[in-house]
Amino acid sequence: QKEVEQNSGPLSVPEGAIASLNCTYSDRGSQSFFWYRQYSGKSPELIMSIYSNGDKEDGRFTAQLNKASQYVSLLIRDSQPSDSATYLCAVNTGGGNKLTFGTGTQLKVEL
Amino acid sequence: DVKVTQSSRYLVKRTGEKVFLECVQDMDHENMFWYRQDPGLGLRLIYFSYDVKMKEKGDIPEGYSVSREKKERFSLILESASTNQTSMYLCASSLWDEKLFFGSGTQLSVL
Repeated sequence: QKEVEQNSGPLSVPEGAIASLNCTYSDRGSQSFFWYRQYSGKSPELIMSIYSNGDKEDGRFTAQLNKASQYVSLLIRDSQPSDSATYLCAVNTGGGNKLTFGTGTQLKVEL
Repeated sequence: DVKVTQSSRYLVKRTGEKVFLECVQDMDHENMFWYRQDPGLGLRLIYFSYDVKMKEKGDIPEGYSVSREKKERFSLILESASTNQTSMYLCASSLWDEKLFFGSGTQLSVL
């Protein structure tokens, strides 16, 4: 079973702080990694993709990938209450376009 | 914007009924997927399709079948609904990669 692991949280951070969300995966051959955000009662939406080792920045979001350690993370700078959601890590584990999702980390940004 | 439309937001069915969940996308996407989402288990892939009349099993296909007669439409069929199929069902599509666009979901209750 190819797995994607996330801490379920909740992760609580104060407004304006950096939120750090982590994900590990078991399939060493995985090449594509994604972060989806899911608000309560809504469907997931893609916020970041990363394919190469290192950092990828998009606005307040930075995705980090370390294939040697089989680790992918998402940093959210200047966290806002509107960032409060569940963040799902997804990894292409079987080739083709199939994604395996982690169970998600709930983030709460407090005023 | 990509629109993925699921026919029902809430559905209540009886054990043993045949259930059809419909999904339509309007962006000429090649790939379509059916996931179910359960608390603590995350998103799990049921079936997917890369082309018309083509289907492949995901991680949990037992008790389900699918139909893709037209490129824009992907149907999930529960041949004989059971209580353990009570779940949130999410349809997704993608053009040619793993960047999924999700529908709003169908919350199915089997009594």
